[in-house]
Amino acid sequence: DTAVSQTPKYLVTQMGNDKSIKCEQNLGHDTMYWYKQDSKKFLKIMFSYNNKELIINETVPNRFSPKSPDKAHLNLHINSLELGDSAVYFCASSLGGGTDSPLHFGNGTRLTVT
Amino acid sequence: DQQVKQNSPSLSVQEGRISILNCDYTNSMFDYFLWYKKYPAEGPTFLISISSIKDKNEDGRFTVFLNKSAKHLSLHIVPSQPGDSAVYFCVAGGTSYGKLTFGQGTILTVHP
Repeated sequence: DTAVSQTPKYLVTQMGNDKSIKCEQNLGHDTMYWYKQDSKKFLKIMFSYNNKELIINETVPNRFSPKSPDKAHLNLHINSLELGDSAVYFCASSLGGGTDSPLHFGNGTRLTVT
Repeated sequence: DQQVKQNSPSLSVQEGRISILNCDYTNSMFDYFLWYKKYPAEGPTFLISISSIKDKNEDGRFTVFLNKSAKHLSLHIVPSQPGDSAVYFCVAGGTSYGKLTFGQGTILTVHP
């Protein structure tokens, strides 16, 4: 019974395509996040949602659009994929939205754009 | 602009000995610090945290020390076990609600 699950685990696609990554949490948490781990291994926050409301929206190209149909789901849609989008994307959730509320991460989606 | 720096990309330790992982930060607005551990092909998992009003927090074999004047924190693992082999991320928060800044990670290898 995975707490934070994201699909797919691997995603290989060509430049210009549109793709989605799905995330679901069964922890009853109120806040969900998307993080990107780049080639230098830094994990950087992209978005956070609290009860379906957008809280954090970092400097991310508007080709990236998060969608939260309910507080247990936060999907990431990416339009017009570029080579630089290749990275590992992690979904996470937390009980509260403060920095003192530990994050529970999914196992990541490795996106490769060719 | 790396506000959280883990200058040692890797650390190798013998089983039973102490592992010390170091982290420096530049932003004085950070007021909460966490360590996460990550195994290959998995997401990071929360390990231990410390508020800026403290200088030490201990949880079993794991202790985090915070030196605010030096903007430095460290994670001590005593005794180290082979199962501790993982990537350890130093993380800081407090500049804005819910936003965490991750370091680059240190690969810890504990040899039997």
